[in-house]
Amino acid sequence: DAGVTQSPTHLIKTRGQQVTLRCSPISGHKSVSWYQQVLGQGPQFIFQYYEKEERGRGNFPDRFSARQFPNYSSELNVNALLLGDSALYLCASSLDAGRLVTFFGQGTRLTVV
Amino acid sequence: DQQVKQNSPSLSVQEGRISILNCDYTNSMFDYFLWYKKYPAEGPTFLISISSIKDKNEDGRFTVFLNKSAKHLSLHIVPSQPGDSAVYFCAARPISSGSARQLTFGSGTQLTVLP
Repeated sequence: DAGVTQSPTHLIKTRGQQVTLRCSPISGHKSVSWYQQVLGQGPQFIFQYYEKEERGRGNFPDRFSARQFPNYSSELNVNALLLGDSALYLCASSLDAGRLVTFFGQGTRLTVV
Repeated sequence: DQQVKQNSPSLSVQEGRISILNCDYTNSMFDYFLWYKKYPAEGPTFLISISSIKDKNEDGRFTVFLNKSAKHLSLHIVPSQPGDSAVYFCAARPISSGSARQLTFGSGTQLTVLP
């Protein structure tokens, strides 16, 4: 069975550009969460989506947005990129929004230059 | 404001010995604590969890201890193996408030098990 898959695995963008990261959850999982992991720190919660609705949002600016599609895949969009947005972006899926254990993808490494 | 703290960025242990990874938290409104393991170029993988109403949970070589009065938990790995070398994250889940029950992670501890 395929795990959580994220694309692309690596990305280099210029300051001010926009980026879209994609995530496919494990089959049957309806909840997707996004985390940002800056080097030397733990993952920090950005968004959770369940059944295509936003269930929670972390302390991130409005430049960050996300959505979930009918097939439960998800996209994370970041506008007006800053150097500080350089990080590993992790997607995690679970059967539902209240599930204790979430399964992470390998992440997308975003570098902003 | 870090609610979950891992104060040791790294730990080296000899193969076969015990590894003890520590985690402190400041918020009492967590109902579960989890440990995740992360290898380079991979996402974090769930290892073990403990409910806030328990003080110990064991799974094979891995045991997690929770001291609620001290707001402290620890992960014990016995015996340690070279394949255990990874970054270990402590995470906490808030008691449900109707909103997303996102995990709050510590900054991680790099464990190196020496052969």
